[in-house]
Amino acid sequence: QSVLTQPPSVSGAPGQRVTISCTGSSSNIGAGYDVHWYQKLPGAAPKLLIYGNRDRRSGVPDRFSGSKSGTSASLAISGLQAEDEADYYCQSYDSSLSGFVVFGGGTKLTVL
Amino acid sequence: QVQLQESGPGLVKPLQTLSLTCSVSAGSMSNGNCYWSWIRQPAGKGLEWIGRIYTSDSTRYNPSLKSRVTMSIDTSKSLFSLHLSSVTAADTALYYCVRESLYPYYFDYWGQGILVTVSS
Repeated sequence: QSVLTQPPSVSGAPGQRVTISCTGSSSNIGAGYDVHWYQKLPGAAPKLLIYGNRDRRSGVPDRFSGSKSGTSASLAISGLQAEDEADYYCQSYDSSLSGFVVFGGGTKLTVL
Repeated sequence: QVQLQESGPGLVKPLQTLSLTCSVSAGSMSNGNCYWSWIRQPAGKGLEWIGRIYTSDSTRYNPSLKSRVTMSIDTSKSLFSLHLSSVTAADTALYYCVRESLYPYYFDYWGQGILVTVSS
């Protein structure tokens, strides 16, 4: 059971826009801790896409954007491309139990 | 560009200690402006943060693993290590060594990962 909750799967056609939600609580996202997003392709290590809620890492296309509000955050991907098909993970920090890093369970994005 | 590479046994017997080492590209550990962490992913499951080390005296572990985890670091050799004791099949996973930023704690450089299987 992950501390941060993500939908198991989302899908969209090429060119469409999809969003992936990440829901936390008052001890993590709601406490003001930043949310970061990673893309994991099969057989590869996760890759940092978004850090600090909305900042794109250098080299990440501007089709990827992040936002945060209250106890939730979202990753939006516009102009879907076949190469975007991957698993996406959100990550934050939780202040309970002396503090630790937490991840969402991951969302499988399928490009139809 | 920071490069990380995990090494260690791919097979560990139940109740033994899993030990992995991460070699970091030369010069990357010298300025102390980041943490060095371990993250794992069991097959078909999500990512789990195991813990981080900053200096030999500064560590933070996942509460769920804290009783079994020890990390060490040797900046002179550009490496850090993970030791996980009393392993079970539930510890079978792909283990990544990762560079973690100081607050707000994101992971920007990852090793390729090493598969560790716990089996007799």
